[in-house]
Order: sequence, then C-alpha cells, then structure tokens
Amino acid sequence: DQQVKQNSPSLSVQEGRISILNCDYTNSMFDYFLWYKKYPAEGPTFLISISSIKDKNEDGRFTVFLNKSAKHLSLHIVPSQPGDSAVYFCAGTQGGSEKLVFGKGTKLTVNP
Amino acid sequence: GAGVSQSPSNKVTEKGKDVELRCDPISGHTALYWYRQRLGQGLEFLIYFQGNSAPDKSGLPSDRFSAERTGESVSTLTIQRTQQEDSAVYLCASSLQRPGLTGGELFFGEGSRLTVL
Repeated sequence: DQQVKQNSPSLSVQEGRISILNCDYTNSMFDYFLWYKKYPAEGPTFLISISSIKDKNEDGRFTVFLNKSAKHLSLHIVPSQPGDSAVYFCAGTQGGSEKLVFGKGTKLTVNP
Repeated sequence: GAGVSQSPSNKVTEKGKDVELRCDPISGHTALYWYRQRLGQGLEFLIYFQGNSAPDKSGLPSDRFSAERTGESVSTLTIQRTQQEDSAVYLCASSLQRPGLTGGELFFGEGSRLTVL
C-alpha cells in the first residue's frame, strides 16, 4: 500500500511561471510533511515542511499547502527558475515516529 | 566532514556476492537512517539507529540485509548473497532529532549505487 502518492511523474513549466507539485497521502495518522529536492547524482536535500496544525507554510519562493480533509498537499514554486529543475519528493510521518514515508517523486523541468 | 559521506559511490557485483556499504553521518547527529531507491520508485525506509537504543529494522526486506552502527558514528549496511532485485541507490541520512521536531530534517548523503549482475 502506497501511503504517499505523487501521481505526476513529471512536470514542465516556463521560467517565471508557477510550478505546482501535488502529493496525496492515505495514512490519516500522518501529522508532519516534508518536501525534498534531488538533483542527479546527489542525495535529497530538505526544502520545506508543514505540520498538520497549519494549512500553509511559506519560505521565499516556496509555499506548501496542506488540505487535511482531502489528505492532499501541494508545493508551489513562484517564480520558477531553471535551477529548480530537479526531482521533488513528498514525505509524511506520524508524530513520534522516526520514519519518513516518501512518494515516488515528480521530476520538474523549468525551461528558460 | 561537513555532510553525510557514503562509500563506495558505485559498486558493481555479481549475483551471490556479499557487499558492504559505509556511511559517515554528520558529526553530532544521533539519528542515522538507511533508505534505498530502486529504479522508478520512491525512497524506501530500511533501518533507523538512534543513539544507544535498539535499531528499528522493520524496513529491511530480508534477512540477507543487516546494518550496524558504531556508537553515534559510522554505519555499515551489509547485503549477503546479493540478488538482482537488490540493485538500487542506497541512501544514508542523519539528523539531530526525529522528523517533526526542530532539527529533525534528514540530511542525506549522495548514495551508493549498487548494481547486481
């Protein structure tokens, strides 16, 4: 059972436009979510997180939205830059758990 | 070092051989994780170490997989009698805290790419 789903394997946007990456989860016990970015031949790097007590968290060009009733979160990147081209992983965890459960990732390509 | 260091970066082995993968976490990080990413898949949790507590081995796919950690430093992941389905990138990560707590973000190494022929 895939607890974290990223249904779009890839996304292509123009530089300067908004990128929206989506993530759905099935485990209602998850109360903390993270986004990681991964460049080729590098390990994933932490990008932004959100607790289930919030519905939005913003950090510069990156905003994560959480809709608990829909078990859905999204990552918005505005404006998108070519350097944002990477694979983005969504992850969820249950409070007190040490395990992050990751989705399969979405490959974002930002075209100049 | 400044980040999580993993070795080897690439390993090609024959089916049935044993392999050892090494991870040096960030100094001071008490938590250490092993994940793997098979082609086209997400990151799959394998094992977690926290200080002197018993490790959480619930993600290890079979008894051919084992891992050890020396105190709060180096960890080795051992795969015995490798199979072709073991081919993956094995990622090590460390953190100060559990996810969800301040400082709980995982810092990943670059991974060890294992290819079993």
